[in-house]
Amino acid sequence: AQSVTQPDIHITVSEGASLELRCNYSYGATPYLFWYVQSPGQGLQLLLKYFSGDTLVQGIKGFEAEFKRSQSSFNLRKPSVHWSDAAEYFCASYNFNKFYFGSGTKLNVKP
Amino acid sequence: NAGVTQTPKFQVLKTGQSMTLQCAQDMNHEYMSWYRQDPGMGLRLIHYSVGAGITDQGEVPNGYNVSRSTTEDFPLRLLSAAPSQTSVYFCASSPTTGVNTEAFFGQGTRLTVV
Repeated sequence: AQSVTQPDIHITVSEGASLELRCNYSYGATPYLFWYVQSPGQGLQLLLKYFSGDTLVQGIKGFEAEFKRSQSSFNLRKPSVHWSDAAEYFCASYNFNKFYFGSGTKLNVKP
Repeated sequence: NAGVTQTPKFQVLKTGQSMTLQCAQDMNHEYMSWYRQDPGMGLRLIHYSVGAGITDQGEVPNGYNVSRSTTEDFPLRLLSAAPSQTSVYFCASSPTTGVNTEAFFGQGTRLTVV
């Protein structure tokens, strides 16, 4: 069965520091991969998605993610974190009409 | 453009009561789905539909029913609520397949069963 793993439950970074959130997927073929962000009490908003082609994808709010087939990873990065980035982040994969979500990583931003 | 609309936003039920969570989308998406979100478990798929008249079970379907009579609406029914169904429920819609697919989410329904 397909699955998505986010090994970090909580991450704290200082404002202005760089950020990397980890995501690993398990699927034989190249899956469709996504990163979503959820602010408290809100629904999920799409940050970026990967289907094929260039392994580095750009998203909204200055986020990017890199697909590495050899490591089965799709890590999310941002060069300089803003206080408004504090939220929960979900990695997801899609195949055969189903989205599979990771358990989420909560990001805390220190002033 | 409303997107995906869920009602109600909050609900408290007593054990054994039934209720329907409503979900409507105005994007003409064929695919709709229901998830529950519990702390530390991400979003788990309850039921999904690939078009009007077609539904299928997801990862955690027990205790829930769905139907899809129109493209726009995909209600989730709790037949006999249990405390284990206390959760935040999200409805999502998406184009069926292909490179443009992505899930568009509603704002969620926070359900408490006492």
